Amino acid sequence: EPEVTQTPSHQVTQMGQEVILRCVPISNHLYFYWYRQILGQKVEFLVSFYNNEISEKSEIFDDQFSVERPDGSNFTLKIRSTKLEDSAMYFCASILTGPTEAFFGQGTRLTVV
Amino acid sequence: SQKIEQNSEALNIQEGKTATLTCNYTNYSPAYLQWYRQDPGRGPVFLLLIRENEKEKRKERLKVTFDTTLKQSLFHITASQPADSATYLCALYTGTASKLTFGTGTRLQVTL
Repeated sequence: EPEVTQTPSHQVTQMGQEVILRCVPISNHLYFYWYRQILGQKVEFLVSFYNNEISEKSEIFDDQFSVERPDGSNFTLKIRSTKLEDSAMYFCASILTGPTEAFFGQGTRLTVV
Repeated sequence: SQKIEQNSEALNIQEGKTATLTCNYTNYSPAYLQWYRQDPGRGPVFLLLIRENEKEKRKERLKVTFDTTLKQSLFHITASQPADSATYLCALYTGTASKLTFGTGTRLQVTL
């Protein structure tokens, strides 16, 4: 069964450093998303990406964040100058088309120390 | 402001009983509502989608209702099993695929 894969599964970084979280969405999917979940809290929308551009972003997704689809398969989230409060689980998701079932990756646990 | 609220308290039920979870939303007019399951440390897994013109949807032991007048969805698990223990999330699309917004989630614990 096709799946969304994320790497790494766990990343520890020092405050102020830049991190890149990687995702490989399902190959024929058209919409891609990043979500964040702080421990014990809700799954929060960060950004959606369609047709090689951001289609919507939340107020959390400020200039510290950027997304890219550098080739036909990878979808990345870059966090510049990480802060302690960026520590969370980050999930990538993709959907085929239209408002249908979203497929989520297993997540990257980011720990900022 | 827009809100999607679910029972904040954990729901504890006995095996074999029906679990009913509630999702209420305000200041949204969703065309689609979905339910997901999330296990600890894992990503959400899709369960069911219901459209605004559908009142009810079923899949095996799962049933979802959608009342756009009350702005509420109910999620039922019949003949619950300990393996159903997880957090259940409702989520809304607001007419486009560009944003899927999740509720706060309800943790379900099914005991023997």
